[in-house]
Amino acid sequence: NAGVMQNPRHLVRRRGQEARLRCSPMKGHSHVYWYRQLPEEGLKFMVYLQKENIIDESGMPKERFSAEFPKEGPSILRIQQVVRGDSAAYFCASSPGVVGNTEAFFGQGTRLTVV
Amino acid sequence: GQNIDQPTEMTATEGAIVQINCTYQTSGFNGLFWYQQHAGEAPTFLSYNVLDGLEEKGRFSSFLSRSKGYSYLLLKELQMKDSASYLCAVRNNAGNMLTFGGGTRLMVKP
Repeated sequence: NAGVMQNPRHLVRRRGQEARLRCSPMKGHSHVYWYRQLPEEGLKFMVYLQKENIIDESGMPKERFSAEFPKEGPSILRIQQVVRGDSAAYFCASSPGVVGNTEAFFGQGTRLTVV
Repeated sequence: GQNIDQPTEMTATEGAIVQINCTYQTSGFNGLFWYQQHAGEAPTFLSYNVLDGLEEKGRFSSFLSRSKGYSYLLLKELQMKDSASYLCAVRNNAGNMLTFGGGTRLMVKP
């Protein structure tokens, strides 16, 4: 049973380009979470999705950022017109549900560098 | 709102015991998690507390006091490989979001 798969592991973009980060949850998991981690800082919640639905996007910047989790395929975090401040590690986590001690399992992250 | 505080850095000696504290003020509470994160890697689950008291798992134990908004992670018989960041996270009432503290960077010295 493969874990949470994120790709690419490393992504370099020039200012103004678009960045697409992909996350395939663990088999059987229908809940996906995206977190951002700036250097030397903790994880900051961005968005929580279930299949075809955004449940909570309270941590997403209002502009340039969007996320989706289609019926088929991975979850995508999309950043348009990237700026230097978007440089960070973006982690995806998945879980089978929201109750009990179901911890979230994290992917290896995508390290985005904006030059 | 959510506010979770942890010490930024700690140093301990191989073979010793270290306690990493976490205090939280949150608008809702549905469990507290501890994760370990080595540099450049994904966080990995260590422990979960939802009721008051101590949960023990090998060399690692975690304690929770809901009335005090306080938890700690206890690491015994420290090994060099325990050098990592330790993240405290609180789950909200709806159970759909983990709010993380900034993490405590632990350095284990010989």
